[in-house]
Amino acid sequence: EPEVTQTPSHQVTQMGQEVILRCVPISNHLYFYWYRQILGQKVEFLVSFYNNEISEKSEIFDDQFSVERPDGSNFTLKIRSTKLEDSAMYFCASDSNLNTEAFFGQGTRLTVV
Amino acid sequence: AQTVTQSQPEMSVQEAETVTLSCTYDTSESDYYLFWYKQPPSRQMILVIRQEAYKQQNATENRFSVNFQKAAKSFSLKISDSQLGDAAMYFCALGELIFGTGTRLQVFP
Repeated sequence: EPEVTQTPSHQVTQMGQEVILRCVPISNHLYFYWYRQILGQKVEFLVSFYNNEISEKSEIFDDQFSVERPDGSNFTLKIRSTKLEDSAMYFCASDSNLNTEAFFGQGTRLTVV
Repeated sequence: AQTVTQSQPEMSVQEAETVTLSCTYDTSESDYYLFWYKQPPSRQMILVIRQEAYKQQNATENRFSVNFQKAAKSFSLKISDSQLGDAAMYFCALGELIFGTGTRLQVFP
């Protein structure tokens, strides 16, 4: 069964460092998403991406964040200068169409120290 | 602004019994989708059930069904014949952007 894969599963980084979280969406999907979940809290939408550009983004997704689909398969989330409060699980999801079924990856746990 | 509210932080049910998780939402859209996702301890989000707002019939997937009340903006999830494997966090979502705070479901043998 096709699945969304995320790497790494856990990343520890020092405050101020840049991190890149990687996602490989399901191959025929067109819509891509990043979400964040601070431990024990709600899932928060960060950004959606369609047709090689950002289609929507939340207030959380400020200038420190960027997304790319560099090679037609990977979908990356970059955090330029990490802060302690960026520590969270980051989930990638993809969908074949809008509002059908978003398939989630298993998440990357980011710990900023 | 679009919002999703899950007023039950925790629920518990005995195995084989039925439990209902509540969700209310607010949107000015007339056509939208609602979802229930399950997040087990493994943390991966799994779609449980989906409802299209223009469909009056409540969605059903095996032991999972919803009670969708569009006028009241309510979208509750009913789990029948609960199993130990149903224990998880359950998130209600409006479209793919707005999630509720989740309900932790415990299932007791």
